[in-house]
Amino acid sequence: EAGVAQSPRYKIIEKRQSVAFWCNPISGHATLYWYQQILGQGPKLLIQFQNNGVVDDSQLPKDRFSAERLKGVDSTLKIQPAKLEDSAVYLCASSPGAGWTYEQYFGPGTRLTVT
Amino acid sequence: QKEVEQNSGPLSVPEGAIASLNCTYSDRGSQSFFWYRQYSGKSPELIMFIYSNGDKEDGRFTAQLNKASQYVSLLIRDSQPSDSATYLCAVTGNQFYFGTGTSLTVIP
Repeated sequence: EAGVAQSPRYKIIEKRQSVAFWCNPISGHATLYWYQQILGQGPKLLIQFQNNGVVDDSQLPKDRFSAERLKGVDSTLKIQPAKLEDSAVYLCASSPGAGWTYEQYFGPGTRLTVT
Repeated sequence: QKEVEQNSGPLSVPEGAIASLNCTYSDRGSQSFFWYRQYSGKSPELIMFIYSNGDKEDGRFTAQLNKASQYVSLLIRDSQPSDSATYLCAVTGNQFYFGTGTSLTVIP
């Protein structure tokens, strides 16, 4: 079974530029998550999708971050414009069910550096 | 107060010893508790989850939950150098919260 795919793996941009990350979850997984993990911290949930609907985006900085999950499969996370404090690893995870009791499978992450 | 708190460590134990990792949480209504392992530069992977008070064992790992005291712990028996990693505690309440992780080093 293929795991969660993410691209790009690394990205370096200047502040005020825009950037987009892509995630392809495990086939059949209904729930998809985006996390931000700043160095030395635990992952912070940004947004949770179930199929193509948003379940929770309370910690997504909506003035600059946006995310979508078209057709309930792939997802993109966009930052526009980027700030220095956005430097982090962006993790995508998927799970087969909607509740928190389902195991989340993480992708390899995208390491973003904002200069 | 953070939702989930862990001692950042680093925690060092000799090979073969028991490593004890602790986590406290603030939301008394939290229902599910998870331990993830994260190797340096890698993504988190689930080790164990626990829902009920008491102990849950899986191989060399034992999770312990005490809801009255609002803490959850992970014991790793017969620690191996390959257990060296950061261990993240995660808790579900209204949302899914990770702690900052405890760095464990197992010394051969």
